[in-house]
Amino acid sequence: GENVEQHPSTLSVQEGDSAVIKCTYSDSASNYFPWYKQELGKGPQLIIDIRSNVGEKKDQRIAVTLNKTAKHFSLHITETQPEDSAVYFCAASIFDAGGTSYGKLTFGQGTILTVHP
Amino acid sequence: DVKVTQSSRYLVKRTGEKVFLECVQDMDHENMFWYRQDPGLGLRLIYFSYDVKMKEKGDIPEGYSVSREKKERFSLILESASTNQTSMYLCASSPQRGRNTGELFFGEGSRLTVL
Repeated sequence: GENVEQHPSTLSVQEGDSAVIKCTYSDSASNYFPWYKQELGKGPQLIIDIRSNVGEKKDQRIAVTLNKTAKHFSLHITETQPEDSAVYFCAASIFDAGGTSYGKLTFGQGTILTVHP
Repeated sequence: DVKVTQSSRYLVKRTGEKVFLECVQDMDHENMFWYRQDPGLGLRLIYFSYDVKMKEKGDIPEGYSVSREKKERFSLILESASTNQTSMYLCASSPQRGRNTGELFFGEGSRLTVL
């Protein structure tokens, strides 16, 4: 089965700095790579995702890059703010629009990001 | 907005007790999932269901069972709770086929402590 490794486990930055979280995956058939943010006391929420037919995707201050050859993908947060403090999870799955994969996600171990004012 | 509701936010049970964790979603999603979250291990899939009365084992099904009698409700059952099942349990749902974007919608979690 799929195995996803995530690093670092904790990351501390000053407000305004950039933060980068990296993940590697093992199954070359995986084609969908989402990132989830979990705030204290809440469930994880999707913040950005990327499919294997693109190498980079941006949404305001967050971006995700994907290297299929090396089987790794990364989350980049620029101009960090205290409200970015949370646990971030990467994940991988084999996604098909027909739904037969059922959307099962394999998650990384999580990164606790702390942004100091 | 999609709403996934887990009935109990915090539970304390004793070893050997039978435990029910309930999850209800209001968006007519076909797929429902139970994940377990532990520090340093991330989220691990216990069971999932893609239709009423259908269930499939995930990566760590041992010691757990599930029930899906209605489309909107997915229950996780610990037949005889053990201390190593102390954890945060997360329920999630997603639609199938044409409505499926890959996103999972999570509840807020049920923190179970087994003494």
